[in-house]
Amino acid sequence: DTAVSQTPKYLVTQMGNDKSIKCEQNLGHDTMYWYKQDSKKFLKIMFSYNNKELIINETVPNRFSPKSPDKAHLNLHINSLELGDSAVYFCASSPRGGASGIETQYFGPGTRLLVL
Amino acid sequence: AQSVAQPEDQVNVAEGNPLTVKCTYSVSGNPYLFWYVQYPNRGLQFLLKYITGDNLVKGSYGFEAEFNKSQTSFHLKKPSALVSDSALYFCAVRGRATSGTYKYIFGTGTRLKVLA
Repeated sequence: DTAVSQTPKYLVTQMGNDKSIKCEQNLGHDTMYWYKQDSKKFLKIMFSYNNKELIINETVPNRFSPKSPDKAHLNLHINSLELGDSAVYFCASSPRGGASGIETQYFGPGTRLLVL
Repeated sequence: AQSVAQPEDQVNVAEGNPLTVKCTYSVSGNPYLFWYVQYPNRGLQFLLKYITGDNLVKGSYGFEAEFNKSQTSFHLKKPSALVSDSALYFCAVRGRATSGTYKYIFGTGTRLKVLA
């Protein structure tokens, strides 16, 4: 009964490959997010969806494409992986009104991506 | 400019002593402020937030934070530290995304080490 789950937990791949990370929340929340945490623990938002609609896209390369098939899922597909994509990617969700920016966010456990 | 600063990379405190983790912010308009904690190999967990009202906000695990508008600060405090409080702490403020909607802006994190 994990609230926000991500798969896979670890992902090791070669440069140039295409990979996907999946996220699911069972909290009934309207808003979901993808964050990137680099090796220095800096945490930055990448994307946010509110009811399957993209509302935040923060200067992320076009190689990254989020997809929200329904409001409980937000997947992240990455094309042509580069060394600099190595990071921990966190999914999060927040309740109705999450787009207001004042709702508590609930984070998944993270996906550790290593590009060789 | 919108930003969050956590001036200390690491804070060491003896178990049983009071602890403070510092955070200052810069945003236009009313500040909405948050503290999250990240345990090793885990996602972030919400501790507390300030939206409006009393400047002293109480949160999870005995933590509290004091909002000080004149000093633009939102320091995290706990009267008596536990070894289990050792973790990475993030301060966040509501800011504006490039799309015009709202987003969290996170500080760089402060590693808290509680010594037995």
